[in-house]
Parts: sequence; structure tokens; C-alpha cells
Amino acid sequence: EVQLVESGGGFVKPGGSLRLSCAASGFTFSNAWMSWVRQAPGKGLEWVGRIKTRTDGGTPDYAAPVKGRFTISRDDSKNTLYLQMNSLIAEDTAVYYCTTVDSGWYLLGSDYWGQGTLVTVSS
Amino acid sequence: DIVMTQTPLSLSVTPGQPASISCKSSQSLLHSDGKTYLYWYLQRPGQPPQLLIYEVSNRFSGVPDRFSGSGSGTDFTLKISRVEAEDVGVYYCMQSIQLPKTFGQGTKVEIK
Repeated sequence: EVQLVESGGGFVKPGGSLRLSCAASGFTFSNAWMSWVRQAPGKGLEWVGRIKTRTDGGTPDYAAPVKGRFTISRDDSKNTLYLQMNSLIAEDTAVYYCTTVDSGWYLLGSDYWGQGTLVTVSS
Repeated sequence: DIVMTQTPLSLSVTPGQPASISCKSSQSLLHSDGKTYLYWYLQRPGQPPQLLIYEVSNRFSGVPDRFSGSGSGTDFTLKISRVEAEDVGVYYCMQSIQLPKTFGQGTKVEIK
């Protein structure tokens, strides 16, 4: 069974930092381009960024609102995706989903999303 | 960024009746490879999004055939031929021809 389990969310003050983790199982994590998508309370979906496989260069891409503040990384030996979030602002308050949406695996009948972890930025 | 605009933003449908959601993109989603990178997701209450349709009109694995997608270029439509109670939630279109991937605002579907 495929699982994506996010953790690390919580309450943080503006300007603070938080690191989210996403533990993957049930599929070959190292073969997947992994992404973060967030959803502010009561709002729509916003793509945060992605990281390619090591084979494809392992490079990340970011949405403009988070570029320079957030860092996406992966540890294929631990089947884990990370999102390091620095200089947090209130607008970063959201549920953060880990997903394979950038992997193109929908063509293989696969499109995985975690249940999300809530990040609240408030003073 | 490509702006995705959905209409309507909410829809109340009698079970068994059809429903239709429009999605318009600010730029063509037709890639030089011949594919059009438009997707439809459903987010049920309290759940992560789930893929319904990929590349305009292809039903994802396990999606009932009452769901269909159509369109080209910048104009797309998701149709539900006969709405069922389990179809309630928020529907999003998404483009992936260009980074950042962008989503429509969402269309909330409820049952009358």
C-alpha cells in the first residue's frame, strides 16, 4: 500500500522556521519527482515546488512566493521528502501536502497525495 | 504565471442530474509535443485532492465513466453525466504546461 505521511507541522511565529517531512512507502521513492502543494484554510490549492529525481539532476523548482525562503530536499536512502521553511509569514499558513503530482505517474495509473500537515504562522 | 479561471464557483445539483464546470486558462495549454496539460481534481471534504481527468479528457484509473473532460487550447469543461451523492466536494482544474503549476479557484459541488 502506498503511503505519504507528512509530519512537522505546527504553530510558529512570523519570522520563524519549520521543517516538514514526508515519509514515503509502497513505491520506489527514488524514481519519483516529488512535490509540495499547500492549501490555506478555506482556500484553494497552491503549488509550492518540486524536486526531481537524482537521475534527472535532483534539482528543485519553487513558486515565486516561497523562492528564497523555502528549500525542498530529499533523502532517497530514507524515502523521505523535506520542506525547510524559513522566514515564515502569516500567508504561509496552510495545510501542506506531499504529492507525486510532478512525477507524471498518472500515465501509469498512480497519483499519490499525503493527508497533509497544518502549518500555522501567527504571533 | 498561467491564470486558471473556473465557473461557476458553486453548483447545487439534484442527484441524477448532469453538472458542468468550465475552466479557462490565460494561455494555451497545448504543448509542442501535441499534448494538452490540463487536469481535473476532486477534493472531498477533509481529504487530499484526487485526480479525475488528465490531459483534458482521459479518465484516471478507477474514475467512473460519468465523469468526462473536453476542450482544447484555453477552454475546458468537466461534465458529470449523472451526479451522485459521493460527487460532493470541490473540483479544481490544474495546468502543468508551465511552472508554476496553477490551479483554478475551485468549484464547490453540493447536492440539493
